[in-house]
Amino acid sequence: NAGVTQTPKFQVLKTGQSMTLQCAQDMNHEYMSWYRQDPGMGLRLIHYSVGAGITDQGEVPNGYNVSRSTTEDFPLRLLSAAPSQTSVYFCASSYGVGVSSLHFGNGTRLTVT
Amino acid sequence: SQELEQSPQSLIVQEGKNLTINCTSSKTLYGLYWYKQKYGEGLIFLMMLQKGGEEKSHEKITAKLDEKKQQSSLHITASQPSHAGIYLCGALHGSSNTGKLIFGQGTTLQVKP
Repeated sequence: NAGVTQTPKFQVLKTGQSMTLQCAQDMNHEYMSWYRQDPGMGLRLIHYSVGAGITDQGEVPNGYNVSRSTTEDFPLRLLSAAPSQTSVYFCASSYGVGVSSLHFGNGTRLTVT
Repeated sequence: SQELEQSPQSLIVQEGKNLTINCTSSKTLYGLYWYKQKYGEGLIFLMMLQKGGEEKSHEKITAKLDEKKQQSSLHITASQPSHAGIYLCGALHGSSNTGKLIFGQGTTLQVKP
């Protein structure tokens, strides 16, 4: 099993550009989520999904869109990148929140200039 | 997240010394997770606590949950350089399937040989 796979590992964008961070898991997990990690602020929840077709906002959803058309994939879209979105992004999944631990991907380091 | 405060924010200890990291929640805890992160890498699950008074150990790391105080502590005995990294606590503030797993800001641990 590959676990949680994030692509790309690194990305540089110019302000105003759009892009999609990909996240895929092969563990048949119902729950998937996106976090961003900034120095001194730990992990902050952006969006999450408790199953295919269901998404909800986390702590810092502005500027990001998500969709969950399949159990396996949970892409994160930046429609118009801003320098404030420079961060490390982590995708995570679990069988069910509250009953098991989160499995994290290795992260995507995004720089917006 | 301000909902979950970790202390201290950073810690430097001499190899062989014991140390404790605290995680305090402003809301009722329905589950408490501890993770470790090495620089530039993803998060590794350490332990999950769900019941008040619960205590779990893995090798030289012990975590306890004080549900009444809405607090958890992570204790490392006889620290080693391999323990260095960022320790993050995560908490479920809703019922078990709300999906909002919130993290503290992290504690950076350095262990001097």
